[in-house]
Amino acid sequence: DGGITQSPKYLFRKEGQNVTLSCEQNLNHDAMYWYRQDPGQGLRLIYYSQIVNDFQKGDIAEGYSVSREKKESFPLTVTSAQKNPTAFYLCASSGANYGYTFGSGTRLTVV
Amino acid sequence: GENVEQHPSTLSVQEGDSAVIKCTYSDSASNYFPWYKQELGKGPQLIIDIRSNVGEKKDQRIAVTLNKTAKHFSLHITETQPEDSAVYFCAASGKDNFNKFYFGSGTKLNVKP
Repeated sequence: DGGITQSPKYLFRKEGQNVTLSCEQNLNHDAMYWYRQDPGQGLRLIYYSQIVNDFQKGDIAEGYSVSREKKESFPLTVTSAQKNPTAFYLCASSGANYGYTFGSGTRLTVV
Repeated sequence: GENVEQHPSTLSVQEGDSAVIKCTYSDSASNYFPWYKQELGKGPQLIIDIRSNVGEKKDQRIAVTLNKTAKHFSLHITETQPEDSAVYFCAASGKDNFNKFYFGSGTKLNVKP
């Protein structure tokens, strides 16, 4: 079945540590996105990518980095520069029909 | 950029009643408006969408209406069931020629049996 897979489901980060969240899709979608979700707030765009080897900052890119070396993969690194990383992170992809397909999310907690 | 406001933040209805969630947007260039349902601990799922050249769209118990002049759109759920309980998000496409969406803050719907 086609879909989008995020891993891990839960992730714990120590102070000053970088962590990488995985996002893989087999939908043959060109565009991929990373969103952050905090309680009581909507989804805020971190980074997005329209094609391989190209990506743009979203509204809250500070403290995050991404890469897009393959069409299927769009990993997100939460760096030590991100001072408040505890949140639910959602990856999505979209093709020509406009709709987003979301992954099941990664819950990141600072310990 | 686009600003999407969503109301109410929480909504509690009795099973069988109707539920209405409203969103407004600021950018008149937005032309695509999806609605997503998010169950606890899961990613959002697209439940219905509407494009700016259409005023209303229905899919069984779910309908969406769009008023381009007033820049608002609404989700209507009829004959609500307990499994409709979830968080619902509206979104509007950005003015970029690209699938960049701006999301509302979400509505937590509770359907009481």
